[in-house]
Amino acid sequence: EIVLTQSPATLSLSPGERATLSCRASQSVSSYLAWYQQKPGQAPRLLIYDASNRATGIPARFSGSGSGTDFTLTISSLEPEDFAVYYCQQRSNWPLYTFGQGTKLEIK
Amino acid sequence: QVQLVQSGAEVKKPGASVKVSCKASGYTFTSYGISWVRQAPGQGLEWMGWISAYNGNTNYAQKLQGRVTMTTDTSTSTAYMELRSLRSDDTAVYYCARVGSYYDGYAFDIWGQGTMVTVSS
Repeated sequence: EIVLTQSPATLSLSPGERATLSCRASQSVSSYLAWYQQKPGQAPRLLIYDASNRATGIPARFSGSGSGTDFTLTISSLEPEDFAVYYCQQRSNWPLYTFGQGTKLEIK
Repeated sequence: QVQLVQSGAEVKKPGASVKVSCKASGYTFTSYGISWVRQAPGQGLEWMGWISAYNGNTNYAQKLQGRVTMTTDTSTSTAYMELRSLRSDDTAVYYCARVGSYYDGYAFDIWGQGTMVTVSS
């Protein structure tokens, strides 16, 4: 089973700052990686699919990059509504999926 | 609009079964798959399995094999997830999610609102 490891576990930043979240796979997942945002009491929301493609309606400040085993989600300038938990997900052996353990982005 | 609406909260005793429903609307149900994801209190997301709404093919997470069954009813555009032999560590919010097309990276683009399942004696 492919394991996804996200870092850091918690990231403390201020609005307007740049956020860089990492997701590392235990073996290559090609570009088959997605990112989700989850706020307290809400279902997750798809942000990025296939490593770098923004989902419908996602602001341009969200971008994804990487391939193989190392991936990054970047939020160029944090808005107050961006503080949430972020999960990566791989589907290299579709239709099997796994999630990372999550990164909590909190206000500093 | 495209949406998934799940059934209400459940309280079950250890050893019992639970069946959660997920009704789709606003799109052609048989054109997409459905995945189920659960989240224990204060924990991360755990993928449980996938079902094709087109032909009923399934694929389950290994740790749940033998305890979980996913089905669909195309006449009502509803997906179901049944979990048997419930234990206390099955207490979680259970989500259904639409699996997008190849062009959407087979990512989970639409989510239900979640169903809380509590297992307690």
